[in-house]
Amino acid sequence: QKEVEQNSGPLSVPEGAIASLNCTYSDRGSQSFFWYRQYSGKSPELIMSIYSNGDKEDGRFTAQLNKASQYVSLLIRDSQPSDSATYLCAVRYSNYQLIWGAGTKLIIKP
Amino acid sequence: DADVTQTPRNRITKTGKRIMLECSQTKGHDRMYWYRQDPGLGLRLIYYSFDVKDINKGEISDGYSVSRQAQAKFSLSLESAIPNQTALYFCATSELAGPNTGELFFGEGSRLTVL
Repeated sequence: QKEVEQNSGPLSVPEGAIASLNCTYSDRGSQSFFWYRQYSGKSPELIMSIYSNGDKEDGRFTAQLNKASQYVSLLIRDSQPSDSATYLCAVRYSNYQLIWGAGTKLIIKP
Repeated sequence: DADVTQTPRNRITKTGKRIMLECSQTKGHDRMYWYRQDPGLGLRLIYYSFDVKDINKGEISDGYSVSRQAQAKFSLSLESAIPNQTALYFCATSELAGPNTGELFFGEGSRLTVL
């Protein structure tokens, strides 16, 4: 059974520090990897996607992928209170199938 | 106005009642999905549709049915609601093909409580 694992948290990070969120997946056939942010009571929204090994940077966000270790991470630099949310990792295994982690709750302390 | 609109946003019902959740979108996407979200669990796919004539079961379709009335409309029905169907339901859309099919656009969610 395909699985995506995330630490549920909460992960507490001081404002201005780097927040590091991790995700592992079980199936080596996975093709694409996504990070979604979900504020409390709101719907998920895509913040990063990554398809090949290495780092991908977008503003304060960096996604890292290591297919050999079946590991994907999200770094948030200069964390702000507005980054406090639950971060969902999603892995695409086929043309339609996304498998979702349960999410990590991130709290940025002012 | 939201690109993906769900109605109702909140609904409380009783066991055995029929419930319909509606979703409409203005993004022009062919693919539409229904997910449920429960605390401590990842989003789970109920049904998905690639176009009006193509509807497929997801991982947890038992107890649910769907209707794709048009490219822009996708409805989820609970024929006889039961308490363990209490959850937050999301409709989502995506492009038809290519790597961006992992990019989903979600509606605001429909919170359903079955007593």
